[in-house]
Amino acid sequence: GDSVTQMEGPVTLSEEAFLTINCTYTATGYPSLFWYVQYPGEGLQLLLKATKADDKGSNKGFEATYRKETTSFHLEKGSVQVSDSAVYFCALRRKDTGNQFYFGTGTSLTVIP
Amino acid sequence: DVKVTQSSRYLVKRTGEKVFLECVQDMDHENMFWYRQDPGLGLRLIYFSYDVKMKEKGDIPEGYSVSREKKERFSLILESASTNQTSMYLCASSPGGESSGNTIYFGEGSWLTVV
Repeated sequence: GDSVTQMEGPVTLSEEAFLTINCTYTATGYPSLFWYVQYPGEGLQLLLKATKADDKGSNKGFEATYRKETTSFHLEKGSVQVSDSAVYFCALRRKDTGNQFYFGTGTSLTVIP
Repeated sequence: DVKVTQSSRYLVKRTGEKVFLECVQDMDHENMFWYRQDPGLGLRLIYFSYDVKMKEKGDIPEGYSVSREKKERFSLILESASTNQTSMYLCASSPGGESSGNTIYFGEGSWLTVV
């Protein structure tokens, strides 16, 4: 079945460090891919998305490229800030399985000053 | 902006009580979802609904039921709460249709503690 695998955390970085959070997926067909962010005590918010191969999603300095050949959608940011501390979820959605979204287990990021 | 509102942020209930978690969305979305979130397990789908009065089981439906009498409202019911149902519950909605790029929108979550 469809699934998403994220790198395990927690991840701790110093401010202005480079961030990569790995995400790979398993799905037949052509899913859309998403990154969601959850700040402490809140629900999940959409960070970025990509709907087809080679698309790049970007928002707030974060980027992820849909790589069909490696079934990956790694999240990157060139210079993290303390305010980026949150839990990040990778997700996919396939239109031919109804409207279900499949989420990874989440990666906790802490950025220290 | 899409708004998904969960009626209670924090609840404490006793074992065996019947618990209702209410969720309302204001964007006329066809699809609504209930997830629970636990440390190390991520989000697990309990139930979802793609239309009024329709419901589908997710990955962990045992001990839960749902109700969707109106398009904008999706309720999660714990018939007899147990301590292993202590968790954060997230409601979400998304548009229907064929586009797989449609986004899912979440409420702020309901923290349920069963004692």
